Amino acid sequence: EADIYQTPRYLVIGTGKKITLECSQTMGHDKMYWYQQDPGMELHLIHYSYGVNSTEKGDLSSESTVSRIRTEHFPLTLESARPSHTSQYLCASSGKGDTEAFFGQGTRLTVV
Amino acid sequence: AQSVTQPDIHITVSEGASLELRCNYSYGATPYLFWYVQSPGQGLQLLLKYFSGDTLVQGIKGFEAEFKRSQSSFNLRKPSVHWSDAAEYFCATGTASKLTFGTGTRLQVTL
Repeated sequence: EADIYQTPRYLVIGTGKKITLECSQTMGHDKMYWYQQDPGMELHLIHYSYGVNSTEKGDLSSESTVSRIRTEHFPLTLESARPSHTSQYLCASSGKGDTEAFFGQGTRLTVV
Repeated sequence: AQSVTQPDIHITVSEGASLELRCNYSYGATPYLFWYVQSPGQGLQLLLKYFSGDTLVQGIKGFEAEFKRSQSSFNLRKPSVHWSDAAEYFCATGTASKLTFGTGTRLQVTL
């Protein structure tokens, strides 16, 4: 079944650690996105990619980085996690026509 | 710039009662409009979408929404709420690569 997967679902990690949040989709979509969602707040776009080797920063400034080496894979990396990075991170993708976005289940990150 | 306003932060309804969640948008042209639902600890699931045509849109789980250009609204409705509908509901506008979300409405369902 075509879908979008995020791992891990939950992560608690110490300050200063490097982390990578994984996102993979099996829908063959060219466009992929990372959103950050703080509790009780709307989603903010932090990164997007329109295809392999294409990445751009979104509307909300983020210290994270992303890469797009394969169409189906769009990992997000924090080189040195801080408590201010505690949030939920949602990955999404969209296909031709740029109509609707499909979301993964999210990764809830807690930095202690 | 496009924007979305969800005036109600939190709504409580009894199971079996009807539901209406409000959404107002600001968009330069004919908007693409969406309603997403987020259950606790989960990602976003698309309930329904409006691109053009019939202004009454049917979605999954018995939800519907009506696009009213004159009121810049896209309210979500359900005639009879089930306890499993308790979740956060987000209205959004724009294309997939340029989505703007509202702040969400948390729905609580009492038995």
